[in-house]
Amino acid sequence: GAGVSQSPRYKVTKRGQDVALRCDPISGHVSLYWYRQALGQGPEFLTYFNYEAQQDKSGLPNDRFSAERPEGSISTLTIQRTEQRDSAMYRCASSLARRGAQHFGDGTRLSIL
Amino acid sequence: AQKVTQAQTEISVVEKEDVTLDCVYETRDTTYYLFWYKQPPSGELVFLIRRNSFDEQNEISGRYSWNFQKSTSSFNFTITASQVVDSAVYFCALSDDRDSNYQLIWGAGTKLIIKP
Repeated sequence: GAGVSQSPRYKVTKRGQDVALRCDPISGHVSLYWYRQALGQGPEFLTYFNYEAQQDKSGLPNDRFSAERPEGSISTLTIQRTEQRDSAMYRCASSLARRGAQHFGDGTRLSIL
Repeated sequence: AQKVTQAQTEISVVEKEDVTLDCVYETRDTTYYLFWYKQPPSGELVFLIRRNSFDEQNEISGRYSWNFQKSTSSFNFTITASQVVDSAVYFCALSDDRDSNYQLIWGAGTKLIIKP
């Protein structure tokens, strides 16, 4: 597509539920990043994929967070047993290659009640 | 470890004034990349520029210009003849290979307010 597409745009769920956030990168972009952004702050790195390989997951806060990109294109970030502190804007970015400019989607605003 | 400092938390100017946003970075790597992103009130993150560490030429794009100085580890961003639509939070970011695996390390952002 023309840009990075994320869905849903907004997600409200009760504490304890699992959520799955989807990212569809720009066509042909091999690198895909997940970030989390709190209000008034810069994005915080979560994880990075090169094609389908998850090469860096050092930013995932704990084992409730996981991500996959099985065919090297669409990626899913899954949060299990959500907690209120997980509430944030979750952003996906893609780039042509690891050194390339990262282009961001509009994000998913996650609210945990 | 790498670090990006944007010392100006908030800047407010009147429309048509020139304004410079400062960015100072730290990295041990000799190969690195610097970025500026714009985040308007609508919330999206818009890529503005990417500069590699071997290219110290200043760049101009319309009313935007960037001054990269390795000697002072700075990558400053100037908006000439500012407009209300320039109001946004501007982030400077760094990526290198040794420490960050090319993830972006972000500054805290500078909120720019352009008054009509």
